[in-house]
Amino acid sequence: DIQMTQSPSSLSASVGDRVTITCRASQNIVTYLNWYQQKPGKAPKLLIYAAFSLQSGVPSRFSGSGSGTDFTLTINTLQPEDFATYYCQQSYTISQTFGQGTKVEIK
Amino acid sequence: QVQLVESGGGLVKPGGSLRLSCAASGFTFSDYHMSWIRQAPGKGLEWISYISNGGSTIYYADSVKGRFTISRDNAKNSLYLQMNSLRGEDTAVYYCATRGGVRPTYFDFWGQGTQVTVSS
Repeated sequence: DIQMTQSPSSLSASVGDRVTITCRASQNIVTYLNWYQQKPGKAPKLLIYAAFSLQSGVPSRFSGSGSGTDFTLTINTLQPEDFATYYCQQSYTISQTFGQGTKVEIK
Repeated sequence: QVQLVESGGGLVKPGGSLRLSCAASGFTFSDYHMSWIRQAPGKGLEWISYISNGGSTIYYADSVKGRFTISRDNAKNSLYLQMNSLRGEDTAVYYCATRGGVRPTYFDFWGQGTQVTVSS
């Protein structure tokens, strides 16, 4: 299976900050990379698909970039509702795998 | 709007069985490929099974292969997961999700999840 490694595992940030989360794949996955947001007790929500395409209804402060093995999720001007855990996921192989998650906490 | 509602979770002893259901509404269920994804307590997400829109193509994660069976009934707009020979490590919240896109694909709509606890 392709291993997905996110960094950092957690971070503290303030409202208005710019936050960057990285995701590294253990092999080339081209742009078969998605990002999800999950709040406690809730299902994950798709934010970004195919590395940089914004899912309908998702605020434009979220953006994705990268290709190959290295990817980034950026949240510009962090809002109170953005405090959550974020997961990357590869869809390059049948056995799709997720990163371990990055928890964004309030500083 | 798209709605997915899982049911059938509960407490079961090791070695036992459980059947999860996912009721779909708000979209043409027979057009969508579907997956089950689970999340162990305090852990990350694990994809466990996929079924094509017509049911002809099925995949499983190695962790559940031979023990779990995915199926669907398009006439009833429902997805199922039959879980046999359950183990403690199967304890998790189980989500059903639609698989959107062609290649790349993604999980675009999720249910609220159903809790499965395997314990004696």
